[in-house]
Amino acid sequence: DAGITQSPRHKVTETGTPVTLRCHQTENHRYMYWYRQDPGHGLRLIHYSYGVKDTDKGEVSDGYSVSRSKTEDFLLTLESATSSQTSVYFCAIRTDYNSPLHFGNGTRLTVT
Amino acid sequence: KQEVTQIPAALSVPEGENLVLNCSFTDSAIYNLQWFRQDPGKGLTSLLLIQSSQREQTSGRLNASLDKSSGRSTLYIAASQPGDSATYLCASLRLNTNAGKSTFGDGTTLTVKP
Repeated sequence: DAGITQSPRHKVTETGTPVTLRCHQTENHRYMYWYRQDPGHGLRLIHYSYGVKDTDKGEVSDGYSVSRSKTEDFLLTLESATSSQTSVYFCAIRTDYNSPLHFGNGTRLTVT
Repeated sequence: KQEVTQIPAALSVPEGENLVLNCSFTDSAIYNLQWFRQDPGKGLTSLLLIQSSQREQTSGRLNASLDKSSGRSTLYIAASQPGDSATYLCASLRLNTNAGKSTFGDGTTLTVKP
């Protein structure tokens, strides 16, 4: 157990509403990541963080924003959810750039 | 741009068989290579990490190798069991101070038949 908690585990929301997903870690890892996993596309990086208030975009960042105000929390926000954002979202953590990635259990988001 | 390919997409074997899963990548210069398993509806569980300077790593019945010159990694599973049934993914993890870039293969779905 890498000490990662994602919340909520499941969410159904309507198109156009804002949604925030939370990733919480208990082991003071420097790096935190948000991925989405979709059939036919595999795992794709949305945003990542390399420290408090330090974030950068991944390959599919359009329509998403992130914030990291504390080491232990990394928030992913969909400002105005669309059906194309229906997916399973995974948070991952990493101690440093030479250490393994560890994943949370995921959040299944459905946008109707 | 790094590309990671896993072939075959699916594999079915009888229990007890030894098997090899393949992962190929296009840019080997500054990457670690990590293997995961994913059970249906679950997150990814880390199996083995091979650092860029290493050739292989072992954990129990699992052995992962890395050949940067050929752009290949293999995951060897000895004496397969039905509980090994899952999707296995490999990922290349970039080594730099921001450590942002990682590229995943699409996975090999393994079924071990009793």
